[in-house]
Amino acid sequence: NAGVTQTPKFQVLKTGQSMTLQCAQDMNHNSMYWYRQDPGMGLRLIYYSASEGTTDKGEVPNGYNVSRLNKREFSLRLESAAPSQTSVYFCASKRASTDTQYFGPGTRLTVL
Amino acid sequence: QKEVEQNSGPLSVPEGAIASLNCTYSDRVSQSFFWYRQYSGKSPELIMSIYSNGDKEDGRFTAQLNKASQYVSLLIRDSQPSDSATYLCAVIPPSNAGGTSYGKLTFGQGTILTVHP
Repeated sequence: NAGVTQTPKFQVLKTGQSMTLQCAQDMNHNSMYWYRQDPGMGLRLIYYSASEGTTDKGEVPNGYNVSRLNKREFSLRLESAAPSQTSVYFCASKRASTDTQYFGPGTRLTVL
Repeated sequence: QKEVEQNSGPLSVPEGAIASLNCTYSDRVSQSFFWYRQYSGKSPELIMSIYSNGDKEDGRFTAQLNKASQYVSLLIRDSQPSDSATYLCAVIPPSNAGGTSYGKLTFGQGTILTVHP
């Protein structure tokens, strides 16, 4: 099992460009999450998907959209990137019956 | 007031000592508490979860929860250089209107621990 995978690992964008961060899990988990991590601020929840077909906003959703493509995949889209979105983005997933979240390796995004 | 706060670091301890990491949370009715370890450049990994008042031990790690005082701590006994990492405290806040929280985590800002030989 690969667990939670994320692509790309690194990305540099110019202000105003768009991109989609991909996340996939092969553990048959119901719930998936997108977090961002900035220095000195821990992780903050952007969006989550409690189950296939549902998505909802987290703490910092502005400037992002998400798609739960199927049970395995949950993507995060930046429509018009801004320097404030420079961060490390982590995807996570968990089974319905537990609280343990498993994190992907992260995507390091720089917006110039 | 931040929902989850950790003691400001960085924390430096000698090898073999006990490292003590502290976390306070603002919402009195929170029920689920976690400690994640994050090595530099890596993703967080769960090392302890605790749900009831008191201590929970797992090897060299002990999590302590005091709901009345709204704090949770992590003790690392016999600290090793390999324990050097950022430790993140996380809480599942209560859900609204009796619904489920869907496992959403609220993290503290993290404490950097360095164990020196």
